[in-house]
Parts: sequence; C-alpha cells; structure tokens
Amino acid sequence: DGGITQSPKYLFRKEGQNVTLSCEQNLNHDAMYWYRQDPGQGLRLIYYSQIVNDFQKGDIAEGYSVSREKKESFPLTVTSAQKNPTAFYLCASSMLGGGGNQPQHFGDGTRLSIL
Amino acid sequence: GQNIDQPTEMTATEGAIVQINCTYQTSGFNGLFWYQQHAGEAPTFLSYNVLDGLEEKGRFSSFLSRSKGYSYLLLKELQMKDSASYLCAVRDGDSWGKLQFGAGTQVVVTP
Repeated sequence: DGGITQSPKYLFRKEGQNVTLSCEQNLNHDAMYWYRQDPGQGLRLIYYSQIVNDFQKGDIAEGYSVSREKKESFPLTVTSAQKNPTAFYLCASSMLGGGGNQPQHFGDGTRLSIL
Repeated sequence: GQNIDQPTEMTATEGAIVQINCTYQTSGFNGLFWYQQHAGEAPTFLSYNVLDGLEEKGRFSSFLSRSKGYSYLLLKELQMKDSASYLCAVRDGDSWGKLQFGAGTQVVVTP
C-alpha cells in the first residue's frame, strides 16, 4: 500500500541531545513537509522541500534541521537548540502542479517528549 | 500576515447537521482545504475549494466565498465517528504547496 511512514511513534529526548524523526513516502510525491502540532493550536510549518537536495525554512525552523537526499525520505532533526521540543510532529507529502489542487497526505505522526 | 479563524468547539446530536465556519485573511489565495483529524492521528483530506460555491461529497459539503474570505464545512447525518477536529487550511499566493492551518474545530457528537 502507498503511504507515508513516520517513525518512531513515540520518542523521548534528554537535555542537550539531538534526535532524528524519520519520514518515508512511497507515493512518488515531489514535495514533503514537516509540521509541529501543539495542543489547541493549528499545524505550524517547520521545513518543506520541493525537490531532492533542496529545502526551505517554514514559519518555525529555529532549532530544527532537515535533509532531502532521496525523493522518498525527509528526516527531521530536533537539535538541542530547540528549547521546547515537546509536541506532535507530522510529516506530509504532495504532488506539485495541477493548479495547486493537490492535497497534502499525512503520516501518523511522532510524539516527542522531554525526559 | 496570515490569519485563519475557526470556532474552538461545537457540539451536536447524532443524526443532526453541523456547520463549521472558517474565515481567513491571507496574503494571497490559491485554494482552501478541509481536513479531519481524530485525536492522536494523522489529518485526512476531506475537501478542496478554489472557486466560489458549494462542493458536495456524500455527507460532507464545503462552501467558499473568496470575496468574503469565508468557507464552511457542512456535516450532515452526523455519526458518532464524526467526533474529531476539523482543520481549515489555506494555500496562499505561492501556489506550489504551502498551507496555512487554522487551530481546528473540535466537533463532539452526542447520542
């Protein structure tokens, strides 16, 4: 089945530690996105990528980093510089073109907590 | 700046109809999406509007008025499984993919 796989489902971070969240898609989508969701708030865009080896900062990129070495993969690293990392992280992907009517499809998310 | 407003919570009875409003002020407009999200799960795509008018998909319909910066999602014949958060998202003037999300409306369906 085609879809977006995020792992792990739950992740715990110690002080001063970097952690990496995995996102893989087999939908052959061009674009991939990372969002953060906090209770009572909408999804906020962290980073997005339109093509391999290229990505742009979203609205809240500070303390995060990404890479896009393969079309299928878009891992997110939460660095120690991110002082409030506890949140639900969602990865999404979409086709480009079609006049902008292509919806984003989401993975099941990773819940990150501080130890 | 970007501003997308939705009510925080709505309660309705099983079998009833509920209308979730969304107003937006964005730097451009290239389409509006509605997503459903059950607690702790991924959002799932419900509908897309880019032209004024009503789009119907089974029990769910979505309406758009671009001149008013307004959309609504209409849920008919409510079922218990419709209890979820409903997210309004606007694609701004940059047409290639970025979305701005509202905070979501929690719909509670009671027996």
